[in-house]
Amino acid sequence: EVQLVESGGGLVKPGGSLRLSCAGSGFSFSSRNMNWVRQSPGKGLEWVSSISSASTYINYAASVMGRFTISRDNANNSLYLQMHSLRDEDTAVYYCVSSGPVGTSAYLVYWGQGTLVTVSS
Amino acid sequence: DIQMTQSPSSLSAFVGDRVTITCRASQSIRMSLNWYQQRPGKAPKLLVYAASTLQSGVPSRFSGSGSGTDFSLTISSLQPEDSATYYCQQSFSIWTFGQGTKVEI
Repeated sequence: EVQLVESGGGLVKPGGSLRLSCAGSGFSFSSRNMNWVRQSPGKGLEWVSSISSASTYINYAASVMGRFTISRDNANNSLYLQMHSLRDEDTAVYYCVSSGPVGTSAYLVYWGQGTLVTVSS
Repeated sequence: DIQMTQSPSSLSAFVGDRVTITCRASQSIRMSLNWYQQRPGKAPKLLVYAASTLQSGVPSRFSGSGSGTDFSLTISSLQPEDSATYYCQQSFSIWTFGQGTKVEI
């Protein structure tokens, strides 16, 4: 069974930092590009960041560029999102998501259950 | 960034109805368009990728079509479990989602 389990969410003050983790199992984690997607309360979905299978290619949404850093540890089937200088508008459920097989169309196939990040004083 | 516009924002229909949701891109994205279903309190689920390819395990009443800038997701015979919000997403450049279409039954 495919599983992606996020952790590390919580309440943080504006300007603070937080590190999200995601543990993958049940699929070939090291061969998949991985992503973070967020959803503000009652709002739609927003792609945050992507990292290729070997960490060669990394992309960020403009809204988090320079504040967030994505990384992965394929030996431990883990994905991370280091978040700095957090703002109120970063409040959201953060999903860890696997892309489809490399070389096929780009889509988001396996989703975690999400971890809530709340930025508030 | 490429803007994705869905319509309608919400709809109400009956069991057995045929329902179509449209998604328009602000520029051509060829066939780089995916559809997701999100039930309340759950993570999104991939339904269709590359505009018209049904993801494994997704019921055949779901279908996707379109290319370029105009796309659609059709549910041929609406079922109670299809009550959800549906999102389109383009993967042609920096990924963006539509604002969602809430389907009530």
